[in-house]
This record gives sequence, C-alpha cells and structure tokens, in this order.
Amino acid sequence: DQQVKQNSPSLSVQEGRISILNCDYTNSMFDYFLWYKKYPAEGPTFLISISSIKDKNEDGRFTVFLNKSAKHLSLHIVPSQPGDSAVYFCAAGYNFNKFYFGSGTKLNVKP
Amino acid sequence: NAGVTQTPKFQVLKTGQSMTLQCAQDMNHEYMSWYRQDPGMGLRLIHYSVGAGITDQGEVPNGYNVSRSTTEDFPLRLLSAAPSQTSVYFCASSRGTSASYEQYFGPGTRLTVT
Repeated sequence: DQQVKQNSPSLSVQEGRISILNCDYTNSMFDYFLWYKKYPAEGPTFLISISSIKDKNEDGRFTVFLNKSAKHLSLHIVPSQPGDSAVYFCAAGYNFNKFYFGSGTKLNVKP
Repeated sequence: NAGVTQTPKFQVLKTGQSMTLQCAQDMNHEYMSWYRQDPGMGLRLIHYSVGAGITDQGEVPNGYNVSRSTTEDFPLRLLSAAPSQTSVYFCASSRGTSASYEQYFGPGTRLTVT
C-alpha cells in the first residue's frame, strides 16, 4: 500500500502561469518532506524541502506548502518556465534514511 | 567533485545470473540508499546504510544484498536475477541531519533481465 500518493500523473500549464503539484500521504509519523525534479535518463535532483514544524517554505519561484491535518503537500511554481518541464516526485519520511516516494507527476510547461 | 557515480549505465542479464551494481560518492556522506524505479511506481527503497558497516532493509529488499565497508562505496548485489528485477536502479547519498536531509542521486543503471 502506497504511503505517498501523487494522484495526477500529468499536468500541462502555460508559460508564466502557476503550476500546482499535489501529494498526499497516509503516515502521520512522517515529519520530513521533499520535492525532487527528474529529467529523462538522469537521476532525481533535489528541489525543496519542508519539515513538519513549518507549513510553508519558499525558494525563489518554488514554494512548498504542508497541511499536516489533511496530510497534504503541494508544490507551487510561479511563474512556470518551459525548462520546468520534467517529472516531479514528492517524498516523505520520519527519519533521515527511509523516504517513501510518490509515483510522480509529469509537468509540461507550454511556451 | 563527482557527486554520486554509478556503474554500469546499462546491463542485460539472463535469468539466474548474478551481478553487482556499483555506487560511489565523494561527499563524505554517512547515509546511502538504493532505489528502483518502475513505471507508475515512483522510487522504492531497496536497502540503505547509515554508515560504514551498518545496513538495513527498505521496502523491497528480496533478491538483493548490500554491504558497506567504506564511507564512499555502497554496492548492490543481485544474487540470481529474475525478470521482475528489470528496472532502473538509483543510488543516493545524504548527510542525514535535521538541517540537511536531501538526497543526492546518481544517474542510474538501467537493468534488463531476460
């Protein structure tokens, strides 16, 4: 049974608009959350993280929101750029060595 | 600084063969992990290590062995390959602290078992 779920396999957004990627988790013990970006034939690269003591973390165009009561995580990209087109994975864990990943959302940013 | 390196990039095995996937990192990270990525499944943890000499099982450990004799290296052994082990394998490392827990991934090894 998947503990971390990304229910949207794909998302298409116009350049300059906001991209919102969503992630749900079931284990209330999770307290560290991350987003990774992956291009074809490459390994995932870290994008942004948040711990359970916060509900928001920003880094440039990327913001991650955490709603612990709903067990929901989201990534906002504003403004979206064509170079953001990739597969995005969310991950969650309750220690530093055992993370559970979602199945990924493929983002397509149209010029 | 090469980061996390993996060899080989591609491998084809016959059912029953064994092989070792190599992983090395030059960032002096204590934590290292192996994942497999299958279509529609995301990344699933196979084995992980919190330091030299210490390893533990992840979500899908069956059919795989690991050891960690040095901080830098974390090889993954397939004991008797099966078609169900056809996948892309990623190795990752991290500092594993509350201030820095993001993982750095290698480029992956694409394995096909016929």
